[in-house]
Amino acid sequence: KAGVTQTPRYLIKTRGQQVTLSCSPISGHRSVSWYQQTPGQGLQFLFEYFSETQRNKGNFPGRFSGRQFSNSRSEMNVSTLELGDSALYLCASASRTANTEAFFGQGTRLTVV
Amino acid sequence: EDKVVQSPLSLVVHEGDTVTLNCSYEVTNFRSLLWYKQEKKAPTFLFMLTSSGIEKKSGRLSSILDKKELFSILNITATQTGDSAVYLCAGLNYGGATNKLIFGTGTLLAVQP
Repeated sequence: KAGVTQTPRYLIKTRGQQVTLSCSPISGHRSVSWYQQTPGQGLQFLFEYFSETQRNKGNFPGRFSGRQFSNSRSEMNVSTLELGDSALYLCASASRTANTEAFFGQGTRLTVV
Repeated sequence: EDKVVQSPLSLVVHEGDTVTLNCSYEVTNFRSLLWYKQEKKAPTFLFMLTSSGIEKKSGRLSSILDKKELFSILNITATQTGDSAVYLCAGLNYGGATNKLIFGTGTLLAVQP
């Protein structure tokens, strides 16, 4: 079955703009989590959605937001982009909410100029 | 604050060598320890360890968890150039409304022919 699909793969935006990233989880998976990966900070948890509800949120400013649709697809939005938002954004899907392995998508490489 | 520390940060070995990668964790509501391999973009799932002292094996890779010492190791025997990657470990913080992976910064493994 298909893996986790993230779109777009690459994105270049200007400071101050906003961006929306999309993630389609593995079929049947209802939990979607988002992570930001940078060389300095590694992989950091952004938020997790389950059944269209945000269950967890990491330590990121309110400019970072997300949502999940009834088909479990998720989007994350970053408003008022800053240079420091340049990163690889990864989403992971899991079949249940606890104690199951999370599978990652290929990520979206966001560059803010 | 939740913390996962991996060592060494990087490692260079020759094909055929055996390597041991280390991961220590301090994670609230710890449920499981996960290992991933990251080559280009998406971290690919290797192991999830929930019980202490039970070794998991997959081909030349094996891993074990020590919940008393808050420690896990990943062993790779008879290394090949295709094993070159960043190996990430993550502690699953799960409790109540929380469900998130806390990642270490990774171990960069380079296998030379």
